Amino acid sequence: NAGVTQTPKFQVLKTGQSMTLQCAQDMNHNSMYWYRQDPGMGLRLIYYSASEGTTDKGEVPNGYNVSRLNKREFSLRLESAAPSQTSVYFCASSGRWNTGELFFGEGSRLTVL
Amino acid sequence: GQQLNQSPQSMFIQEGEDVSMNCTSSSIFNTWLWYKQEPGEGPVLLIALYKAGELTSNGRLTAQFGITRKDSFLNISASIPSDVGIYFCAGQTNAGGTSYGKLTFGQGTILTVHP
Repeated sequence: NAGVTQTPKFQVLKTGQSMTLQCAQDMNHNSMYWYRQDPGMGLRLIYYSASEGTTDKGEVPNGYNVSRLNKREFSLRLESAAPSQTSVYFCASSGRWNTGELFFGEGSRLTVL
Repeated sequence: GQQLNQSPQSMFIQEGEDVSMNCTSSSIFNTWLWYKQEPGEGPVLLIALYKAGELTSNGRLTAQFGITRKDSFLNISASIPSDVGIYFCAGQTNAGGTSYGKLTFGQGTILTVHP
């Protein structure tokens, strides 16, 4: 009963380094999402994918890229990490479009020095 | 942009007490949702509300979709220690058709339950 799986769970980067956060879901959901969570800011949408083969920007896409590799997998890439990208990142998926009913992963805590 | 005002920001209660928290917005939503997040975990959906005035229960949890579509509340009855966590409200708009409507999250209410 894995649900949404994210890797890695923790990562420390230096400014300017790149990395990719991986996300996979086993619920056969069409839509997938990447959020970041910062203290006092709630959850903010970075990018989403309505279905395999499509991706769109959310509220805070600058500094990120995404790839919907297949129906199961949706990755988030930081090309040149900045301290402002220190955050907890959550991947989510949904089987019901536009309902807000999301299944979240456990999160990936990223620190950029 | 849309903002949700969630209150209170934190609550410290004794086991067995009832809890009430709410969310208000200047914008209307098509769906109101309540999520709970435990330490080190992602948010988990507790209740989803789809119609203005709707009152829905999930065990000891009861939530209502405000009649104006601009607010929602969540009640927890007879709290227990495992209720500890951060509770988020969220409002979803529908853009229509295949376009994505925005899901906006509140800032969260931190609940601490003393045994």
